[in-house]
Amino acid sequence: SYELSQPPSMSVSPGQTASLTCSGDELGAKYSCWYQHKPGQSPVLVIYQDNKRPSGIPERFSGFNSGNTATLIIRATQAMDEADYYCQAWDSGTVLFGGGTKLTVL
Amino acid sequence: QVQLVQSGAEVKKPGASVKVSCKASGYTFSNYDINWLRQATGQGLEWMGWMNPTTGNSVYAQKFQGRVTITRDTSISTAYMELSGLKSEDTAVYYCARGHSLYTNNLYLYYFDSWGQGTLVTVPS
Repeated sequence: SYELSQPPSMSVSPGQTASLTCSGDELGAKYSCWYQHKPGQSPVLVIYQDNKRPSGIPERFSGFNSGNTATLIIRATQAMDEADYYCQAWDSGTVLFGGGTKLTVL
Repeated sequence: QVQLVQSGAEVKKPGASVKVSCKASGYTFSNYDINWLRQATGQGLEWMGWMNPTTGNSVYAQKFQGRVTITRDTSISTAYMELSGLKSEDTAVYYCARGHSLYTNNLYLYYFDSWGQGTLVTVPS
């Protein structure tokens, strides 16, 4: 079965750029999306169709998808960006999530 | 604005069933699938299944087939998720989410653009 893999954690300094990766076999041949999930809150869609931002998501969030890796980029990272981030794709009639990356801003 | 409001927390005994509701507002209920997902403590997001509110047809993730049932009452724009045969491993926050499908450039994407607030279901061991 198809799987998506994410590093469990990463840290970034405020103001720097965070690049979160999601790997899967020929993932670039599928569409990907990303969710931000903060403790005690519901997940929020931040990127869909590889690189599109929903209304209300800051321009600091961007994405691309090529080869075997989808990447979420957060520029000028702020303390408020500290959260778990999940990639998601569709394969063979089912929804797939990566295991999530805990982003720490310090 | 789109809102999905879920029912409150539940505590259930092993072997019992739980039914969680999700009331939609701010959009035409029949125009979008309703999905159910969950997150166990310390774990990631897990998709359970979806339902087409117009037809009532549902598709379930293989892991939950035979244990989960998603239904709806279109007269009150509410979807329901019932999970039977509860085990301690089913202790999780359950979310409903609106599904959005996209098909362009011969590629398909299904994603979730609005989520309920979550419902904690606890099954003590």
